[in-house]
Amino acid sequence: SAVISQKPSRDICQRGTSLTIQCQVDSQVTMMFWYRQQPGQSLTLIATANQGSEATYESGFVIDKFPISRPNLTFSTLTVSNMSPEDSSIYLCSVVGTGELFFGEGSRLTVL
Amino acid sequence: GQNIDQPTEMTATEGAIVQINCTYQTSGFNGLFWYQQHAGEAPTFLSYNVLDGLEEKGRFSSFLSRSKGYSYLLLKELQMKDSASYLCAFSGGYNKLIFGAGTRLAVHP
Repeated sequence: SAVISQKPSRDICQRGTSLTIQCQVDSQVTMMFWYRQQPGQSLTLIATANQGSEATYESGFVIDKFPISRPNLTFSTLTVSNMSPEDSSIYLCSVVGTGELFFGEGSRLTVL
Repeated sequence: GQNIDQPTEMTATEGAIVQINCTYQTSGFNGLFWYQQHAGEAPTFLSYNVLDGLEEKGRFSSFLSRSKGYSYLLLKELQMKDSASYLCAFSGGYNKLIFGAGTRLAVHP
């Protein structure tokens, strides 16, 4: 199993500002994934963060809005840029284990 | 394209059995996952099926038919703490999971 720590666990942000979410894993992993869960919705994959290369974004998500860093095999950051109320969501970091996907506890962002 | 569908809500009685169905469409398939998510918490892994058939794990079982694009999660001896959302997801490749909208299960006394 993998232990994933995310910071911040929650935050209240002002419209137009940016916030960076950190994800730390207790073991080295090749791929890390960032998901978004909007209120009352299921999880949507934002991007795959690969160490040593640019992140791969899913349809509907762009690097300018959600820049991702992956400086090493245990750490990644997701920035939510120029936030609007529509960005109010839970953002989850995840990694692949043996036969399952492990999730961090999530970062709950509220944009006013 | 890729698509996954599951009922929005279900209710059941404590001690009973409930079956949550999931249907999916995808060109590439690397397994079917079920996750449980309590309100305000991150999803937790329940099961993974990559071959056809039934996988049993305690009170929870999961079934997969790849030819039909169909899975179900069976919960036995329901307890109040089983009230949660249950997320069906398939892996279409590269370890990415595509999630369904989730089924909110309410267990009543």
